Parts: sequence; C-alpha cells; structure tokens
Amino acid sequence: DGGITQSPKYLFRKEGQNVTLSCEQNLNHDAMYWYRQDPGQGLRLIYYSQIVNDFQKGDIAEGYSVSREKKESFPLTVTSAQKNPTAFYLCASRPGQGAITEAFFGQGTRLTVV
Amino acid sequence: SQQGEEDPQALSIQEGENATMNCSYKTSINNLQWYRQNSGRGLVHLILIRSNEREKHSGRLRVTLDTSKKSSSLLITASRAADTASYFCATLGGSNYKLTFGKGTLLTVNP
Repeated sequence: DGGITQSPKYLFRKEGQNVTLSCEQNLNHDAMYWYRQDPGQGLRLIYYSQIVNDFQKGDIAEGYSVSREKKESFPLTVTSAQKNPTAFYLCASRPGQGAITEAFFGQGTRLTVV
Repeated sequence: SQQGEEDPQALSIQEGENATMNCSYKTSINNLQWYRQNSGRGLVHLILIRSNEREKHSGRLRVTLDTSKKSSSLLITASRAADTASYFCATLGGSNYKLTFGKGTLLTVNP
C-alpha cells in the first residue's frame, strides 16, 4: 500500500536529549514537510524539502534539524536546544513542482519530555 | 507566521444543519486546500481550489475562493455527527513549495 509512515507513534524524551522522529513515504513524492501541533492549535511549519539533498526552514525551525538524503525519507531531530518540545508532530508529502495537488499526512508522533 | 486564519475557532451545530467556516490568508497563492483532522490523527485532504477558480463542489462540500479579498469559505451541508472534527485551510505559495496552515475550526455536530 502506498502511503506515508511516521514512527514511533509515541515517544518519550528526557530533558537534554536529542531525539529523532522518522518519516517515510513510498508515494514517489518530491516534497516533504514537518509540522508541529500544540493542543487546540493549528499546524506550524518546522522544515520542508522540495527535493533530495535540499531543505528550507519553516516558521519555527529553531531547535530542530532535518536531513533529506533519500527521496523516501525525511527524519526530524528534536535537539536539546528546543526548550518546549512536547507536542504532536506531523509529517506530510506531496508531488513536486508544478503539481497542483494535495498533501498526504502520516498519523503523527506524540513527543513528551519527561 | 501562519498564512491562514480560520473563523470561527469553534462551531457547534445540530445534525442536519449546514456548517460554514471561513479562512483568510495574507499573500498570493497558487491554490488553497481544506483538510479535516479527527482528534489525535493526521490530516485528510478534503478539497483543493486553484487561484483561478471561484467555486468548487465535492459531495456535501462547497468551497469558494475570493482572491481579491484573500478569503475562502467551506460549507458542509446536511451535517452529520461523523463530521465532528477540526477543519483547516492551507495555502501553497505561488513560487515555492511552502504549504502553510491556519489554526483551524473545531466543528461539533450534535446528534
């Protein structure tokens, strides 16, 4: 089945630790996105990537890092510099430039700092 | 900063009634999209309207777009309890891939 998979579904992190959230898609999409969602809030864009080996900061990139070494994968690292990392993280993908299409979302990773 | 802003923030209606949600945005767009999110889940795409379109229908959904006012509306007709969810608008920038979302409208449809 084609789709976008986030793992793990739940993640607990101790303060001061880095943690990496996985996002994999087999839809052959060029563009991938990471969003953060806080309770009762909308989605805020962290990073996005238009193509392999390229990515841009979104609106709240501080304390986060990404890589895009493969078309299928766009992992997000939440670093110790992110002061309030507890949130619901959503990954999305969509076809490349010129394609007027929707985004497809994973089911999210809920990160909790303990 | 978030591109889209939905209103109202919350809407509670009875089954069978229509629900209207509005979205305003700030910069030029390629297209505008509406998504639905059930609690604690990922988003599901509902409908996309291009910047050169004014109205679009899909089943019980009707979307309008007014680029002169930088606004869009989503109408759900004959609502059902299963329509209870959060609804978000999203805009895709004209020259890049940046897809930004508003804060959403929480719709509650009471049986």
